[in-house]
Amino acid sequence: ETGVTQSPTHLIKTRGQQVTLRCSSQSGHNTVSWYQQALGQGPQFIFQYYREEENGRGNFPPRFSGLQFPNYSSELNVNALELDDSALYLCASSSNRGFGAKNIQYFGAGTRLSVL
Amino acid sequence: GQQLNQSPQSMFIQEGEDVSMNCTSSSIFNTWLWYKQDPGEGPVLLIALYKAGELTSNGRLTAQFGITRKDSFLNISASIPSDVGIYFCAGYETSGSRLTFGEGTQLTVNP
Repeated sequence: ETGVTQSPTHLIKTRGQQVTLRCSSQSGHNTVSWYQQALGQGPQFIFQYYREEENGRGNFPPRFSGLQFPNYSSELNVNALELDDSALYLCASSSNRGFGAKNIQYFGAGTRLSVL
Repeated sequence: GQQLNQSPQSMFIQEGEDVSMNCTSSSIFNTWLWYKQDPGEGPVLLIALYKAGELTSNGRLTAQFGITRKDSFLNISASIPSDVGIYFCAGYETSGSRLTFGEGTQLTVNP
């Protein structure tokens, strides 16, 4: 039990729709990172939020956007859904800005998104 | 983007056997992490490594941070059925905030 909770657990959308995924970070953690995990692959970094600002972004288009709230919870928004967006979306929280040593990211159970 | 090369992709072993898997990178990493992921769950941290040459154990698990800072391995001794799952290496490069993952090693343990 990492204390990182994600909602919903499963979601089915159709192509072109928009989706919002939510994450509550572990108590005491101020940084949230989002990852996309396609079937049979390792998680791919989408972006990270620290103190309500984006702090690093992976190779994902602008239709992937996020927010972090004052209580450090976070949302991932995806617009104009495509079939290839079908994946497990993982949220991870950590206690500092994410630069290197001793920054451990603790993961939630993920949201399984299916785009039809 | 940067990818970690993790091998083997899958392993089928008998209960009681030892297991070894490794991860390599083309660039230097300053932190190596090993996670395990069970079906329907997120990755769970097993071992964290912070210094080149560091050897760390967690029960039957032992991991090492390669001296070149471009590789790491994980050993599991005396495997048991609950060791089944997907093992991922992950790490931070010398600068940046993103955690880079390997492709995973699927471990199957036959009782």
